[in-house]
Amino acid sequence: GQQLNQSPQSMFIQEGEDVSMNCTSSSIFNTWLWYKQDPGEGPVLLIALYKAGELTSNGRLTAQFGITRKDSFLNISASIPSDVGIYFCAGQNYGGSQGNLIFGKGTKLSVKP
Amino acid sequence: DSGVTQTPKHLITATGQRVTLRCSPRSGDLSVYWYQQSLDQGLQFLIQYYNGEERAKGNILERFSAQQFPDLHSELNLSSLELGDSALYFCASSVRSLANTGELFFGEGSRLTVL
Repeated sequence: GQQLNQSPQSMFIQEGEDVSMNCTSSSIFNTWLWYKQDPGEGPVLLIALYKAGELTSNGRLTAQFGITRKDSFLNISASIPSDVGIYFCAGQNYGGSQGNLIFGKGTKLSVKP
Repeated sequence: DSGVTQTPKHLITATGQRVTLRCSPRSGDLSVYWYQQSLDQGLQFLIQYYNGEERAKGNILERFSAQQFPDLHSELNLSSLELGDSALYFCASSVRSLANTGELFFGEGSRLTVL
């Protein structure tokens, strides 16, 4: 089945630094999404991207839908301690049984104050 | 608070046993999804129901089954449990069948430990 390769697996950064993570796939998606999971919680949607080349921001977060439709990246600027968590990319195709989301394995972010 | 309720939050059981996990979707959401999260596999899609009917199936084992009831709550049944079934099981809901916006609302999960 479809798989997403998410990197890096983990990051340990200093508060105030910028963060960049990405996700690639061998197949194309119609939608790319980024979710964040806080410890002990379920994932929460951060950003959704619907068109190839689209660049979308949500506060300090910026994500892009790759032009090939096979990749996406997420940037976090000026990280703060509450950015700690696991960030998941997810891809989605429409139609039939493909409507479900395929998730990457996540990037675990740790922020040192 | 996502509005999705899962019970129980924690469950410890023995190999060979059977458990049932329960999920109440957000008010108004017709679609329910089940995901399994383990340390090395990330979030794996198991199954989706829409308004009581199965809509999509992922990597769900034959020992596992699910259903969605007329009141839209869903149950995931795990039987003949093995050590490898230990994981976090998430339920998510969305308004539409194919979650066209990609936005799923996740519950807090049920942590299953099989000893």
